[in-house]
Amino acid sequence: ETGVTQTPRHLVMGMTNKKSLKCEQHLGHNAMYWYKQSAKKPLELMFVYSLEERVENNSVPSRFSPECPNSSHLFLHLHTLQPEDSALYLCASSQDTGAGADEQYFGPGTRLTVT
Amino acid sequence: EDQVTQSPEALRLQEGESSSLNCSYTVSGLRGLFWYRQDPGKGPEFLFTLYSAGEEKEKERLKATLTKKESFLHITAPKPEDSATYLCAVRGYSGAGSYQLTFGKGTKLSVIP
Repeated sequence: ETGVTQTPRHLVMGMTNKKSLKCEQHLGHNAMYWYKQSAKKPLELMFVYSLEERVENNSVPSRFSPECPNSSHLFLHLHTLQPEDSALYLCASSQDTGAGADEQYFGPGTRLTVT
Repeated sequence: EDQVTQSPEALRLQEGESSSLNCSYTVSGLRGLFWYRQDPGKGPEFLFTLYSAGEEKEKERLKATLTKKESFLHITAPKPEDSATYLCAVRGYSGAGSYQLTFGKGTKLSVIP
């Protein structure tokens, strides 16, 4: 495996289900991100982890719960979602040098549909 | 608050017809401006980072330029495989250690054979 991988690629879940999205990066980076991409909207940053510590949480509802057990893996736990949460969820990673201009590398995304 | 506006929203070109995409931005001190390419159903693919006004970077048929208010992505003699959505993003000094990357909505480019 190379780059950033995400599983599953597609997920359909009911509003009462609990599911998890998984992301793995094979680039040796130390920062990982979750983004939400909805139709006709810009990418929205949800969570950032640097060195396994959460450093940013952009007012995301508590029904989304991130977990970063190590610098290579990132999870997004989902529960009691709403139909408006249907979107493409993207994971990204970067090498955090502290300079703030580090490029991020994205995975292929998980297409989530909430019914 | 950082803002990014991309234009046009969509652009159709004949193969070989050169053009430019625009990214206008406002940011509280620019750390970096990023260009990405996104194909349908896939994640964004990194293209360029620009750091300061006057800087230019090239990759195959693409050339990115930067001024203090906007960036251009010039596409020379495009081919059908250049069809994609091109995203622009900025990171500013909006707080010590901020990781916020602000994206535009993108320009959807279609290159017709």
